Amino acid sequence: KAGVTQTPRYLIKTRGQQVTLSCSPISGHRSVSWYQQTPGQGLQFLFEYFSETQRNKGNFPGRFSGRQFSNSRSEMNVSTLELGDSALYLCASSQTGNYGYTFGSGTRLTVV
Amino acid sequence: QQQVKQSPQSLIVQKGGISIINCAYENTAFDYFPWYQQFPGKGPALLIAIRPDVSEKKEGRFTISFNKSAKQFSLHIMDSQPGDSATYFCAARPSGAGSYQLTFGKGTKLSVIP
Repeated sequence: KAGVTQTPRYLIKTRGQQVTLSCSPISGHRSVSWYQQTPGQGLQFLFEYFSETQRNKGNFPGRFSGRQFSNSRSEMNVSTLELGDSALYLCASSQTGNYGYTFGSGTRLTVV
Repeated sequence: QQQVKQSPQSLIVQKGGISIINCAYENTAFDYFPWYQQFPGKGPALLIAIRPDVSEKKEGRFTISFNKSAKQFSLHIMDSQPGDSATYFCAARPSGAGSYQLTFGKGTKLSVIP
């Protein structure tokens, strides 16, 4: 059974640009969550999607957005990048969004 | 109210010893408590999880102890091995509709020395 796949693994962007990250969940999982991991703040919840609907949103500015497609794949977008957006962005999938979250290896975003 | 406090930040244990990591929470609505293990360059991997209706859960060398009245839970790694060297995160998720997010502790970096 394939795990959670995140692409790309690494990204370098310039301040002010925008970026789109992709996540393919485990087959059969309909819930996809996104987390930001930094050394200072740790793992912080961004948002969660289930059947193309956002059910939960964390305390991040509107520059952070996401969506989910009918095949459960998800993308997150960050616009007007800031230096502080440099982080490991993790996607997790689960069947219902309640338990058993499986994480991908993440996308390492560096903003210069 | 949403915080999960984890300690210690780092831990050094001899091979064969017991590693103990503790977490405390305030939000009584939390009803799912997983532990994750993360190696450098990888995402967190689910180790073991517990619901508040049990006080202990064991899977192999890993045991979660849960104290509902004290709002504390801990991870015990028995017979610790060098391959267990990783960062461990506790987490919690509240019950109820609209609560599909995990709140994580800050992590514990475990080093198991031969």
